[in-house]
Amino acid sequence: KAGVTQTPRYLIKTRGQQVTLSCSPISGHRSVSWYQQTPGQGLQFLFEYFSETQRNKGNFPGRFSGRQFSNSRSEMNVSTLELGDSALYLCASSRATAEDTQYFGPGTRLTVL
Amino acid sequence: GESVGLHLPTLSVQEGDNSIINCAYSNSASDYFIWYKQESGKGPQFIIDIRSNMDKRQGQRVTVLLNKTVKHLSLQIAATQPGDSAVYFCAENMNDYKLSFGAGTTVTVRA
Repeated sequence: KAGVTQTPRYLIKTRGQQVTLSCSPISGHRSVSWYQQTPGQGLQFLFEYFSETQRNKGNFPGRFSGRQFSNSRSEMNVSTLELGDSALYLCASSRATAEDTQYFGPGTRLTVL
Repeated sequence: GESVGLHLPTLSVQEGDNSIINCAYSNSASDYFIWYKQESGKGPQFIIDIRSNMDKRQGQRVTVLLNKTVKHLSLQIAATQPGDSAVYFCAENMNDYKLSFGAGTTVTVRA
């Protein structure tokens, strides 16, 4: 079974631009979560989606948004990029419930110049 | 807020020895704990998990111990191999559709 896939793997943007990252979950998984990983803050939860509905959201500004499609694929968007948004953005998928194991993709490395 | 944390940021271990990685958590309501391994350039990889109604769980070369009295979690790796070199994270699940991660322990295996 294929794992979680994320595209693109690497991105370089400049301040003020916006970016969209994509995540395809493991087949049969309907929950998708997004995390930001930085050396200073570690792994921080962004949001989680199930059946196209956001069930939980982390403590990030409104510039960070996401959505999920009917095929469970998910995208996250960051608008008006700041230097501090440089990070590894990780997507994780799980079957459905809060107790299901989350499996992570390889991440998208975003660099903001 | 409450968070999961690791005792030591780095651990150096001789190949073939056993490794013990520790994690302290503060939320007594947490129901489920997971250990992940992250190698350079990759996303976190699931290793093993344990529910709050268990004290110990064993996998292939790994054992997780949970002490709810002192809110402590540990991961033991038997016969550590060079491929075990990575950053190890403990994560806490409070059944709210998110994981709270500790800061991570970098394990380096010496040949």
